[in-house]
Amino acid sequence: DAKTTQPPSMDCAEGRAANLPCNHSTISGNEYVYWYRQIHSQGPQYIIHGLKNNETNEMASLIITEDRKSSTLILPHATLRDTAVYYCIVRVVGGASGSRLTFGEGTQLTVNP
Amino acid sequence: EAGVTQFPSHSVIEKGQTVTLRCDPISGHDNLYWYRRVMGKEIKFLLHFVKESKQDESGMPNNRFLAERTGGTYSTLKVQPAELEDSGVYFCASSQPGHMIGSQFFGPGTRLTVL
Repeated sequence: DAKTTQPPSMDCAEGRAANLPCNHSTISGNEYVYWYRQIHSQGPQYIIHGLKNNETNEMASLIITEDRKSSTLILPHATLRDTAVYYCIVRVVGGASGSRLTFGEGTQLTVNP
Repeated sequence: EAGVTQFPSHSVIEKGQTVTLRCDPISGHDNLYWYRRVMGKEIKFLLHFVKESKQDESGMPNNRFLAERTGGTYSTLKVQPAELEDSGVYFCASSQPGHMIGSQFFGPGTRLTVL
């Protein structure tokens, strides 16, 4: 699976948009971009995933650049409950190892009141 | 719908003892995964079941770890004998059958402390 690079930490004011970047310059054509988060002492939580088109769900939006070498997770109106470590994961789908998630160090997002 | 559940939530054992962790996936989820985070490290994949079969066990650290999923429902992860470096949080996740690109739903984890 392609390696991802994320900033170690970010801060955001409550009610503002949180934009979390991720670089995945070695991504292959059959690899998806996934975002998970881990709130302290809980299990990782799925947020969103995409292949090449931008995606939106009730939690967030995912913007993938045209060359697919980077992406941004957007939390449109961050709340204190969004404070967590956010993981950007690039994942090959299919094959013997196609199901595993490879977690990096992620970005610690702190939403401030 | 109940989520992924794990038992126990915490376990404290002495080096050399045996511990068995249990995971109950979401009903109907054929895919079951084990991950763990040891102190100061990243979350690492251990293995993947499809129903009762081990699809990928390449992440299992050594033969002291044994995972089973008899009947394709709940799974157990046994550590025997436990070593100090096995301390960490063990997560279980499940996903829908045949849904390779779908999301994995994680349980709350079992915090294992080996003294």
